[in-house]
Amino acid sequence: QQPVQSPQAVILREGEDAVINCSSSKALYSVHWYRQKHGEAPVFLMILLKGGEQKGHEKISASFNEKKQQSSLYLTASQLSYSGTYFCGTGIQGAQKLVFGQGTRLTINP
Amino acid sequence: KAGVTQTPRYLIKTRGQQVTLSCSPISGHRSVSWYQQTPGQGLQFLFEYFSETQRNKGNFPGRFSGRQFSNSRSEMNVSTLELGDSALYLCASSDLYNTEAFFGQGTRLTVV
Repeated sequence: QQPVQSPQAVILREGEDAVINCSSSKALYSVHWYRQKHGEAPVFLMILLKGGEQKGHEKISASFNEKKQQSSLYLTASQLSYSGTYFCGTGIQGAQKLVFGQGTRLTINP
Repeated sequence: KAGVTQTPRYLIKTRGQQVTLSCSPISGHRSVSWYQQTPGQGLQFLFEYFSETQRNKGNFPGRFSGRQFSNSRSEMNVSTLELGDSALYLCASSDLYNTEAFFGQGTRLTVV
């Protein structure tokens, strides 16, 4: 079952914050976040494991709520370089076989 | 360290033909996964190989097949191409701990 991401698209001004959610109807063991810029390969941002562990990456952090089967990606004080499509991927076998959400397109304007 | 390399980058094929795509993983990575990316369906898992064995498979028809060689390089084959097979095909490699998948630039396949 494909995880559901929300919102589908968001437009921000540089410096604003954004939250992207990823929900699954199945039990989550790990959630992987990737960012893909137009014409480029998806790039790994972070992984969250069962246990509600929160990981950070520069001004991007994420949380994992096992009870709600949901993960959220927080982008603080967004920069132009944050523009792209963000995907969450869920897996029970690590990164071997990921089921990705539909993606959230983030546009940061100056 | 060289990244994941996919060849060719672009392909145009005719309906009914077959195609082979290649993926060279990061040195030392033994797991190679393949994904199909389309605007309508997003990123969909095709299959994963580890040490020359298919370990995981997605929900794609048998026309999609793959293999992995002893040096971990992987190939994906699509036979009897259909217009709907037009997509960006991405491969990703991961190490023993499977925490991070490193993606290649992809092969853009267009079926006409």
